[in-house]
Amino acid sequence: DSGVTQTPKHLITATGQRVTLRCSPRSGDLSVYWYQQSLDQGLQFLIQYYNGEERAKGNILERFSAQQFPDLHSELNLSSLELGDSALYFCASSETSGGGNEQFFGPGTRLTVL
Amino acid sequence: AQSVTQPDIHITVSEGASLELRCNYSYGATPYLFWYVQSPGQGLQLLLKYFSGDTLVQGIKGFEAEFKRSQSSFNLRKPSVHWSDAAEYFCAVGPGGTSYGKLTFGQGTILTVHP
Repeated sequence: DSGVTQTPKHLITATGQRVTLRCSPRSGDLSVYWYQQSLDQGLQFLIQYYNGEERAKGNILERFSAQQFPDLHSELNLSSLELGDSALYFCASSETSGGGNEQFFGPGTRLTVL
Repeated sequence: AQSVTQPDIHITVSEGASLELRCNYSYGATPYLFWYVQSPGQGLQLLLKYFSGDTLVQGIKGFEAEFKRSQSSFNLRKPSVHWSDAAEYFCAVGPGGTSYGKLTFGQGTILTVHP
């Protein structure tokens, strides 16, 4: 158990819908990262927050947005869903923000778009 | 831009045999290098990491990796594989000397262990 929790574990929805994925980092970690894992794209970095502020952005679609709240939990919002958004979404956390920090991964949320 | 290549998509070994998983990276400066393992239905677990210093790093579960700057490689090794090592292994590179922590992952290597 990494100490990172993600809810829900599974999510099934229809095209065009909007969903919210939630992540609670390990106690004391200030940075939260979101990654998408799909069969065709592999594991891809989406976005990083550090202490409530956006720190880095990767290949995140405009239909996707995220935020980190004062209690440090984070939410990833996916809207106007398409079939291709079906994937495993991981949240990770680390103590601080730099590239050398060990990132602890949650168990993931499996999103299926029908 | 940073990138990681894991040339082997799938490797099969017998239990007790030695293992080497290959990883090549591309990064303009000194990278931070990681190996993660993902068991079916699980998140990723860090096996080991390299930042600087000794180029041979030891990790958990008996794994080690060697950083070779001249070859831009960071191969993962284990002298004797156990059936419980069957999983998918990911090599990743992080941006050294930066204030952000984006990891770039390779495509992964699936390890099958035969009894």
